[in-house]
Amino acid sequence: LAKTTQPISMDSYEGQEVNITCSHNNIATNDYITWYQQFPSQGPRFIIQGYKTKVTNEVASLFIPADRKSSTLSLPRVSLSDTAVYYCLVGTRSGSARQLTFGSGTQLTVLP
Amino acid sequence: GAVVSQHPSWVICKSGTSVKIECRSLDFQATTMFWYRQFPKQSLMLMATSNEGSKATYEQGVEKDKFLINHASLTLSTLTVTSAHPEDSSFYICSASPPGQSSYNSPLHFGNGTRLTVT
Repeated sequence: LAKTTQPISMDSYEGQEVNITCSHNNIATNDYITWYQQFPSQGPRFIIQGYKTKVTNEVASLFIPADRKSSTLSLPRVSLSDTAVYYCLVGTRSGSARQLTFGSGTQLTVLP
Repeated sequence: GAVVSQHPSWVICKSGTSVKIECRSLDFQATTMFWYRQFPKQSLMLMATSNEGSKATYEQGVEKDKFLINHASLTLSTLTVTSAHPEDSSFYICSASPPGQSSYNSPLHFGNGTRLTVT
């Protein structure tokens, strides 16, 4: 079971690009990397998922180096509404969530 | 996109009573659903895996007789907190993902959670 390590918290200002890095040294060959966003008193929301190299969607980019031992979530031009906890998950479902364990997450605070 | 709905969004109950929380997949069928618990300022902790038509699988340390899970249909799983006590007060969240060719790595979709307060 691949564990993940993220910074506990990060501060940024509106309009800046934010990069949150997650370390997952024990990632397995079949593991995917998924990032979720959670606002207070809400369920987590899927942001982006990737296996290798770079993935981009309408809200974020995910950079994964060749060794896949880390990944970086990039949020372009953040706004105050991006203040939330961001979780990096590593694993495969295989019909069970056992391999999708939530780490501590990163509290991102966007300042005006 | 895939939508998971939880009900109620919040509930207050007296100590010793039981509370049922529903989790529905609105636009897909889910043979497996997951129940998490989250205490303030903490991460989500997986409680159990709900399997349609069979018994749920509980994580170590989670009392199956206290947290009853029923997954009677492909779109509904329920979590009943029996004989609730103040220490059961928490944020309960369910999740599921659509089956299909991408189920191997398909992301989980989460409900909006249920805030349980036991007085």
